Amino acid sequence: DAGITQSPRHKVTETGTPVTLRCHQTENHRYMYWYRQDPGHGLRLIHYSYGVKDTDKGEVSDGYSVSRSKTEDFLLTLESATSSQTSVYFCAIRGQGDGYTFGSGTRLTVV
Amino acid sequence: KQEVTQIPAALSVPEGENLVLNCSFTDSAIYNLQWFRQDPGKGLTSLLLIQSSQREQTSGRLNASLDKSSGRSTLYIAASQPGDSATYLCAVNFGNEKLTFGTGTRLTIIP
Repeated sequence: DAGITQSPRHKVTETGTPVTLRCHQTENHRYMYWYRQDPGHGLRLIHYSYGVKDTDKGEVSDGYSVSRSKTEDFLLTLESATSSQTSVYFCAIRGQGDGYTFGSGTRLTVV
Repeated sequence: KQEVTQIPAALSVPEGENLVLNCSFTDSAIYNLQWFRQDPGKGLTSLLLIQSSQREQTSGRLNASLDKSSGRSTLYIAASQPGDSATYLCAVNFGNEKLTFGTGTRLTIIP
């Protein structure tokens, strides 16, 4: 399996503060993704990247931005966190055979 | 709109029984389909990946089938065990660079 790590694993932050989540991969895959998972909604795509500095929006991108300055790192930023952004965030890479591998997730609580 | 549906949302079966989980999708022009397992509070573990040109894939006690013409996939679990208890997610790549997920079936195996 591709090495994919997310940090932090848990975070509690206050409304209105900026937050950055990090996804790191070790196998040089081109495509990386950020999803959020919420009860009743399943996993929904926030943003994805198809190369360094190449990113695009998913279905729930409002309030989020991303950056990819190196192949191995994909950052998700909440510019001004809101309670509606309390969720579990998963990073994924698209690997061999175009199958996806997911990280362990970041549990974010906005209070 | 491209959608993925999993019914039922929850299923309980006695240990040792064979069972089938269902996944349906709205667009038959898929690229591939992937089944995942998620334990409570954990990330997603890939179980099986079926390419558009394939009819089924097998791994141990698991068998996944794909019928594009009817927009359906099934995940067959043989000789169920309590350790199989988890939420099973179906995800479809409709060829647009990202996965679309169903909301999952929560499986409980009763000892």
